[in-house]
Parts: sequence; structure tokens; C-alpha cells
Amino acid sequence: DAKTTQPPSMDCAEGRAANLPCNHSTISGNEYVYWYRQIHSQGPQYIIHGLKNNETNEMASLIITEDRKSSTLILPHATLRDTAVYYCIVRALEMDSNYQLIWGAGTKLIIKP
Amino acid sequence: DAGITQSPRHKVTETGTPVTLRCHQTENHRYMYWYRQDPGHGLRLIHYSYGVKDTDKGEVSDGYSVSRSKTEDFLLTLESATSSQTSVYFCAISPGQVWTEAFFGQGTRLTVV
Repeated sequence: DAKTTQPPSMDCAEGRAANLPCNHSTISGNEYVYWYRQIHSQGPQYIIHGLKNNETNEMASLIITEDRKSSTLILPHATLRDTAVYYCIVRALEMDSNYQLIWGAGTKLIIKP
Repeated sequence: DAGITQSPRHKVTETGTPVTLRCHQTENHRYMYWYRQDPGHGLRLIHYSYGVKDTDKGEVSDGYSVSRSKTEDFLLTLESATSSQTSVYFCAISPGQVWTEAFFGQGTRLTVV
């Protein structure tokens, strides 16, 4: 079972910030929060990851609460090309013997003109 | 995009026939993976490889076999295709055991009739 809970769908106006929430109340101390996205008919794409500090890269920002039980992915200026399914996953940084992430159903983000 | 190519991109086959999907990389990455994705679900790991001729099972390996005779190629074989194996199959590659460096292919849509 997925260790995260995300809303099934969200809308956002083009040019606005898209804020995607994720609950991960059972996260362990050594587990990172990863975000991937999957644009229709394409393979998943890595976006960002973090442990406990907020992180920012050229694609997005990741805000993790102090208790680490939830986080928010922020796309600062959403464009139509950001329409995709966004997956929040918690996992240790290194791949263990299972070599897998546990993927939930994700949030379908629709950017509207 | 990372140098990863899946072939074929689409295939329709009959129940009981063998099917082989190919993943080809030009990145010289050590690790390669095969996933399947079904509607409304995240990705599930089928098999993975951590080097030439070194492979292991993932979460949903029953009915599938793999081979890796060269660094650049990872083959997924359905020995006798069944309708339950209708899915979209994704290959992924990574240079090491860190999830932030994993790249996914464009996917192969397989339909078993």
C-alpha cells in the first residue's frame, strides 16, 4: 500500500502557483519525500526530493512541515504543459533490495487557461 | 531526454503467444528496470537488473522473464501472453542506487486479445 495520501484531482489557473498537498504521517526518519510527474502517455519524470528542509530547483519548490507528516509541492507559475499526474512518494534515498518505489494513484493536476 | 528507447511502442498480440519488449539505453547506466502501469494505478516493478546477466524479481514478476546480455539492452519476455498482461510497460535506467537519478522511457502499450 502507498504510504502517502494525495487528493485525486486539482485545478489551477495558468500563471498561478499550483500547490499540491501530500500527507505522509507514517514517514520514517530516514525516508525522503520524492515528487514525480507523468504527463499523459509519457514516462514519469523526477521533479524534486527532500528530507526535512525546504527545497527548490528549476522546476518546483518542496515545503515539508516541521513534523514531516505532510508536504506541499509548489509549481510557482503553472503553464498548460504542467498538466499531469503528480506522484508523492516516500522512500529511503538509496534503493534497497526491493529496488522499488511504492506508487500511489497521484493527483491529476489540470491547468486551465 | 536521457538516451532510453523502448520498442515497440504499441503492440497487439493474441493470448498464448510469446512477446518480447526491448529497452535500449545509450547512457551506459548500470541499473535497468521494467515496470507496468495499469489504469488508475501507479507503477509496479516487474524485474530489474543491476548489471550484465544480473537480474532479480520485483513485485509482480509472475509470467515475465528478463535478460540482459549487454549493458545497453534489457529485454522483457512474456512467455505466453494473457489478457491480464494488457498494460503499459515502462523501462527505467539509473547510474546508481539513488532514485533521483532514474529516467523512464516513453512506454510500450501492450494489448493481449
